Amino acid sequence: GQQVMQIPQYQHVQEGEDFTTYCNSSTTLSNIQWYKQRPGGHPVFLIQLVKSGEVKKQKRLTFQFGEAKKNSSLHITATQTTDVGTYFCAVTDSWGKLQFGAGTQVVVTP
Amino acid sequence: DSGVTQTPKHLITATGQRVTLRCSPRSGDLSVYWYQQSLDQGLQFLIQYYNGEERAKGNILERFSAQQFPDLHSELNLSSLELGDSALYFCASSVTPGTGSADTQYFGPGTRLTVL
Repeated sequence: GQQVMQIPQYQHVQEGEDFTTYCNSSTTLSNIQWYKQRPGGHPVFLIQLVKSGEVKKQKRLTFQFGEAKKNSSLHITATQTTDVGTYFCAVTDSWGKLQFGAGTQVVVTP
Repeated sequence: DSGVTQTPKHLITATGQRVTLRCSPRSGDLSVYWYQQSLDQGLQFLIQYYNGEERAKGNILERFSAQQFPDLHSELNLSSLELGDSALYFCASSVTPGTGSADTQYFGPGTRLTVL
């Protein structure tokens, strides 16, 4: 099945700074989804990208799907303490089965 | 609150035992998914049901089984438990299985299983 590599594994960010997490695949992806899991919580769906070169924004979060549909990124601007958590990318097959990346654990320093 | 409920929240048991985890999907959702989250394996898909029928299987051990009942709730049965089965088990549900907007998966709060 499709596998996605996510980097970095950990990210320490000063409050107010920007950061980016990346999701890469060796094969072309049909779609990619992003989830956020707060400490002690459950994964929460953020967004799905389907089209080549697609860019979507949610407030301070910008999601991008690469032109070749082999990579994706999540960029957060002006990080806040509420951004703490682990961000996962995931790919789905036609039946909706999710295959998750390893996640990027984000720690925000006030 | 995602609308997906899971019971129990925590479960502590011994090796060799059998446990049952329960999931109630959001109202109107026909598809249920089970995932396992552990430190070494990350978030792994186990099994999927749609309207009572098994639709897809992941790396689910033979000691594990699941079913979806006519009222659409689902149970995950774990038997002959080993220390390595200790993990968070999440259930997720969606209206339909697939990749459209109606197929967004909503995760429950999870059951934390500890095998001693």
